Amino acid sequence: DADVTQTPRNRITKTGKRIMLECSQTKGHDRMYWYRQDPGLGLRLIYYSFDVKDINKGEISDGYSVSRQAQAKFSLSLESAIPNQTALYFCATRTGQNYNEQFFGPGTRLTVL
Amino acid sequence: GDSVTQMEGPVTLSEEAFLTINCTYTATGYPSLFWYVQYPGEGLQLLLKATKADDKGSNKGFEATYRKETTSFHLEKGSVQVSDSAVYFCALSDPGSGTSYGKLTFGQGTILTVHP
Repeated sequence: DADVTQTPRNRITKTGKRIMLECSQTKGHDRMYWYRQDPGLGLRLIYYSFDVKDINKGEISDGYSVSRQAQAKFSLSLESAIPNQTALYFCATRTGQNYNEQFFGPGTRLTVL
Repeated sequence: GDSVTQMEGPVTLSEEAFLTINCTYTATGYPSLFWYVQYPGEGLQLLLKATKADDKGSNKGFEATYRKETTSFHLEKGSVQVSDSAVYFCALSDPGSGTSYGKLTFGQGTILTVHP
């Protein structure tokens, strides 16, 4: 089984709808991250969390919110989706040790019409 | 702030050709450097990493050397295969302080296509 899972894998929705993307991990990591990927722009950080009570905005948090329901679960919400939020969204996890890499989920492809 | 610049793609090569993907960075501290690979339809996987100057990361025939003097971390492979076709991302993690700890800054990605 995959260590970092994301649901759904694909979602098509309409402008103005509320959408939640979910991420679960079995790696026991305390740090979790949400990124979006756009062609030619690489990955950009939306939100990150160091534990259940520690949530921080990334570089592009406007229009998004998150919830860390447990150490293993980190959800991303779009309260009112807009077309320029069409992108590939990735969840990642990491330990607190320095120099360690992040481990990524398979991604959710979101299309907002 | 921190930034990563990769050579523009896409890159198209024939099988067994030599590969170089350039990556340069700017950072305020002493970052760790990473190459991630994204195969079609999949998430990112760590390919290799280096945590201090002059370190060489290597994996699956790929190599990259952390060059502090030129702020570079170029990815190389001596003989590419069709199965290497993917998107390659250079990234840095600046230990920094406080809430920036562990954040990855990515380059824009380079699409590699290898033909038989």
